Amino acid sequence: GAGVSQSPSNKVTEKGKDVELRCDPISGHTALYWYRQSLGQGLEFLIYFQGNSAPDKSGLPSDRFSAERTGGSVSTLTIQRTQQEDSAVYLCASSLRSRPGTDTQYFGPGTRLTVL
Amino acid sequence: AQKVTQAQTEISVVEKEDVTLDCVYETRDTTYYLFWYKQPPSGELVFLIRRNSFDEQNEISGRYSWNFQKSTSSFNFTITASQVVDSAVYFCALSEATGSQGNLIFGKGTKLSVKP
Repeated sequence: GAGVSQSPSNKVTEKGKDVELRCDPISGHTALYWYRQSLGQGLEFLIYFQGNSAPDKSGLPSDRFSAERTGGSVSTLTIQRTQQEDSAVYLCASSLRSRPGTDTQYFGPGTRLTVL
Repeated sequence: AQKVTQAQTEISVVEKEDVTLDCVYETRDTTYYLFWYKQPPSGELVFLIRRNSFDEQNEISGRYSWNFQKSTSSFNFTITASQVVDSAVYFCALSEATGSQGNLIFGKGTKLSVKP
């Protein structure tokens, strides 16, 4: 079946603009994760959804970052007033079951965000 | 605190050589999961293997093998008779089953270059 898809694949924006990144998980996967990959920080966890709920948003880097998930499927990561330090590859992953940590996460191709 | 250390930043080998990628982890949890992912130049993280903390049996899959040793908190990955297509960044990751959101804690990755 289809894997995790993300759009856009590349996004170039100007400092101060808002951006929306989209993730479409594998059908039937109840858990969804956002990560960020940058040269300086490696792969860092941002937020986790179980269904439509995100129990803990403390991994988001700042209050300019928000995320939502609707219908237990598609998720959107929004970055407001983008800064140059937001430049990174944003990765989405999904896993099958509702018990976190026990299932394999499958990753999408990522969105490369460049803030000028 | 949870932590994954991949001490080898870059490794270069010649095709057909065997190569071992090291991974050392730290966790206070008794139940946890360890993963290896491959990130080829295309950028997508590809799942290779998952092991749980109660299963220390080594595993072999074709040219790939994994050595899990709880006594040394290590989960090393060996590629036998390496090929150019094995060139990628390899990430080791840890996920705890309790008291977490199931997010993956990644090492910094090891960049493997296999030269013909």
